[in-house]
Formats: sequence, structure tokens, C-alpha cells
Amino acid sequence: EVQLVESGGGLVQPGRSMKLSCAASGFTFSNHYMAWVRQAPTKGLEWVASISTGGGNTFYRDSVKGRFTASRDNAKSTLYLQMDSLRSEDTATYYCARHDWYFDFWGPGTMVTVSS
Amino acid sequence: DIQMTQSPSFLSASVGERVTLSCKASQNINKYLDWYQQKLGEAPTLLIYNTKNLHTGIPSTFSGSGSGTDYTLTISSLQPEDVATYFCLQRNVWPYMFGSGTKLELK
Repeated sequence: EVQLVESGGGLVQPGRSMKLSCAASGFTFSNHYMAWVRQAPTKGLEWVASISTGGGNTFYRDSVKGRFTASRDNAKSTLYLQMDSLRSEDTATYYCARHDWYFDFWGPGTMVTVSS
Repeated sequence: DIQMTQSPSFLSASVGERVTLSCKASQNINKYLDWYQQKLGEAPTLLIYNTKNLHTGIPSTFSGSGSGTDYTLTISSLQPEDVATYFCLQRNVWPYMFGSGTKLELK
């Protein structure tokens, strides 16, 4: 059974950093692209970033480019999202998703609140 | 960026009713259109990919169609467990863009 579990969310001040993790199991992690998708409170879904199987290629939406970095450790079957220079508009639930062209499996999400 | 417009934003329908949700792209997305279901308090789940292909385990009451800029999700007979918000997603070009969603409730 495919399982994705995010962690690392919480309350952080504007301008500070936070690192999210996503532990994967139930499939060969190194064979799949992975992605981060976020959802602000009571809002819609927003694709944030995707990363290739080996981590050599990353893709970001413009609003996080230069501030967020997606990475992965295939030996640990874990996906990461390093978030720097956080802004209030980054407040959201962050989901990791397996990215097999489409997003076929999702984790339950971790909430990030950016506030002073 | 490609803009995705979903309509209606809110829909109320009866059990057993046929329901149609619409998603319109601001430019041709070559059928790279997926549909996701999100129940209250839960993560989204994939329903349909590439316009018309049902994801594993999705009942055949769901179907998708469309081409170019216009796409449709149809529920042939609405069930209570279908109450959710439905989002479309284009992945023809980066950045991938979701629609704003259609919230489906029972009448």
C-alpha cells in the first residue's frame, strides 16, 4: 500500500525558515517523480514544486522560486521541502504527492502557519 | 500561466441525479487534464487522468470528457459519498494549474 506522511509543519515567523519532510513507503520511491502541493485555509489547491527521480531536475511555481528548495533522499525514501524567507501568504497545508505525470497518491498534509 | 475556470462553484443535487461539472482552460491543454476529489478535512484523491481515464478503484459512475480548452466531469448517478469539492488540474505546461473547485452537496 502506498503511504506518504508529511511532517515538520508548525508556526513560524515571517522571514524565517522551515523544512518539511515526506516519508514514503509501499512503492519504489526512486522510480517516481514527487511533488509538493499546498492549500491555503478554505482555498483551492496550488502546485508548488516537483522533483525528478534522481533529484537533478526541479520545477517550481514562480511565487516560491528562489525561496523554496525541493530535494529527496532515495536511500531513505524521503522527500523534503526547504522553505526560506517565509511569507504570510505561504500559510497553507502542504501535501506531498507521488507525481506519475498526474498526482496519483497524496499524503494527509502538514500545516504551516507563517505569523508573528 | 494557463488559467483554469471551473463552473459552477457550488452545486446542489439529489441522490441518483446526473451531475456535470465543467472546467475551461485559457488555452489548449491537449487533454492533459485531471480531476481530483477532496472530501471535507481530507487530502485530495485522483479520480480521472488524461481527460477520461479512471484511476484505480474509481467507480464507473464517474466519467470524463473534453478536448482543447473545454473539459467535463460527469457523475451518472450521484451518491451520498460523492459529496466533496472537485478540482481540475492542467499539466500540459508548467506551472501546473488547478481550477478553483466545484463544491458538490446533496439537495
